[in-house]
Amino acid sequence: GENVEQHPSTLSVQEGDSAVIKCTYSDSASNYFPWYKQELGKRPQLIIDIRSNVGEKKDQRIAVTLNKTAKHFSLHITETQPEDSAVYFCAAKNSGGSNYKLTFGKGTLLTVNP
Amino acid sequence: DSGVTQTPKHLITATGQRVTLRCSPRSGDLSVYWYQQSLDQGLQFLIQYYNGEERAKGNILERFSAQQFPDLHSELNLSSLELGDSALYFCASSKAQGGYEQYFGPGTRLTVT
Repeated sequence: GENVEQHPSTLSVQEGDSAVIKCTYSDSASNYFPWYKQELGKRPQLIIDIRSNVGEKKDQRIAVTLNKTAKHFSLHITETQPEDSAVYFCAAKNSGGSNYKLTFGKGTLLTVNP
Repeated sequence: DSGVTQTPKHLITATGQRVTLRCSPRSGDLSVYWYQQSLDQGLQFLIQYYNGEERAKGNILERFSAQQFPDLHSELNLSSLELGDSALYFCASSKAQGGYEQYFGPGTRLTVT
């Protein structure tokens, strides 16, 4: 089955700096890669996603890049703010058959220091 | 607020007991997914229903079962509870069955004592 590795597990940056979180996946048939932000005690919140026919997608300060050949994708947050502090999860979804499940990475705890 | 609702928010019960968690998807969404989140296992997919039918299964224990009703709400039943079942249980919903754009509910925190 699919395996998603996420790095780093913790990331501390100064307010205004950029943050990058990287994920690799194992199944070349995966075709959908969402990112979720989870604040302490809250639900995972979908912040951006990308499909395998696209190399990059941006939404204001957030961008995701996908390298299908290398089987990795990354989340980029620019001009970080204290409210960006949270755990971020990447995930991958297989396109084969009826396999609709998301496989999540272990998460990255991002701390933005004011 | 994602529009997905879950009840109850918290549940404390004893080992060996059975509980039912409830989820209502966003208006217009036909798929419901159940996930378990624990510190050691992370976010794990349990099961998916689409318009009342089971569509995909993950690492769901035999002691766990789920169903989706005609009004599209879903219930996750956990029986013969063990200490290790203590976790956050989330449901998510999406419009179609393909697994794209899943929106999570607030979760139910289950504590088994």
